[in-house]
Amino acid sequence: GAVVSQHPSWVICKSGTSVKIECRSLDFQATTMFWYRQFPKQSLMLMATSNEGSKATYEQGVEKDKFLINHASLTLSTLTVTSAHPEDSSFYICSARVSGSIGELFFGEGSRLTVL
Amino acid sequence: QKEVEQNSGPLSVPEGAIASLNCTYSDRGSQSFFWYRQYSGKSPELIMFIYSNGDKEDGRFTAQLNKASQYVSLLIRDSQPSDSATYLCAVNQGRNRDDKIIFGKGTRLHILP
Repeated sequence: GAVVSQHPSWVICKSGTSVKIECRSLDFQATTMFWYRQFPKQSLMLMATSNEGSKATYEQGVEKDKFLINHASLTLSTLTVTSAHPEDSSFYICSARVSGSIGELFFGEGSRLTVL
Repeated sequence: QKEVEQNSGPLSVPEGAIASLNCTYSDRGSQSFFWYRQYSGKSPELIMFIYSNGDKEDGRFTAQLNKASQYVSLLIRDSQPSDSATYLCAVNQGRNRDDKIIFGKGTRLHILP
């Protein structure tokens, strides 16, 4: 399967600071990447769809000014959590599709964010 | 609201037995269906996908799809302790491969040694 790499795998930050998470497709080009958030014992919740060279599409209820997404190249999307607060503590996972496939998603390793 | 429903479990199955995981979906137009396995603290990994009615087998795993009943299942034969995980059912919500994929809440499976 295709390989998606995410960094950092875990991060601890102080309340009010910003945190950037990177998602890279290592062996394929991804025009579209997806960002999910998962709270403990909860399902994956789609936050936004990241489109290379254009603005991200955010799901209802997700603040676009708080969760900044940049997809500057065909292999890299970044998610920046701005002015993080303890309630933003979660497991953030990116995923991507391979063009021409059945449409299955390949996931990065995930980034566990803890805001103190 | 388009939904994907799964029994949260936990489902306990003796080692060596068959584990049966079920999923229903509400969008009749859905075309592609996926099963992911997620170990605690890890990200999901794809096990199988299916898009035609009937059964699809891959090793110890069999996916079953019934579009008329809007029902997808995953069978795991000869269950092993390493199969203990949360299994996520996912549905492509449209006819286009680039449509959004919606996940169920997952079923926790526990294989008893």
